[in-house]
Amino acid sequence: DAKTTQPPSMDCAEGRAANLPCNHSTISGNEYVYWYRQIHSQGPQYIIHGLKNNETNEMASLIITEDRKSSTLILPHATLRDTAVYYCIVRVAISNFGNEKLTFGTGTRLTIIP
Amino acid sequence: EAGVTQSPTHLIKTRGQQATLRCSPISGHTSVYWYQQALGLGLQFLLWYDEGEERNRGNFPPRFSGRQFPNYSSELNVNALELEDSALYLCASSLSPSTDTQYFGPGTRLTVL
Repeated sequence: DAKTTQPPSMDCAEGRAANLPCNHSTISGNEYVYWYRQIHSQGPQYIIHGLKNNETNEMASLIITEDRKSSTLILPHATLRDTAVYYCIVRVAISNFGNEKLTFGTGTRLTIIP
Repeated sequence: EAGVTQSPTHLIKTRGQQATLRCSPISGHTSVYWYQQALGLGLQFLLWYDEGEERNRGNFPPRFSGRQFPNYSSELNVNALELEDSALYLCASSLSPSTDTQYFGPGTRLTVL
């Protein structure tokens, strides 16, 4: 799996949009971008994933650049409960034993400020 | 729909003992994955089970083992516990191997004294 680079920490005011960047400049054409978050001492929570197109669900939006070398996770109206460590992960999109494990980096610690 | 469940929530053992951790996947999911998250460290892949078979394991010693039952639930066993085994152990499941989204349980906090 390709490596990702994320800022170690970010702050965002409550009610504002939180934009979390991720660099994955070595991503391959067959790799998805996944986002998870982990609230203190809990299991990681799946947020969203995408391959090429932008994606949106009830939790967030994922914007992937045209060259796929970077992406941004957007939490449209951040609340205090969104304070967590956010992980950006790239993972192959084809079935091939050996790529099933998720490789978590250090993530971005997002703090929502009241 | 019930998510991934794990038991116990907390487990305290002493050095040299054995620990057994349990995981029930989301209904219909056949793949179960185990990860270790030591304090202040990232998640490290431990084991992957699918259809009752161990498919892959991470860089952990053989005293970390497990199994998957016919109902797809799974057990992680850690023998000869060492102090550095203290960690949050996370179980995840997916609908099918390799490429489907993995959904995580709440974890079991293992403390070795």
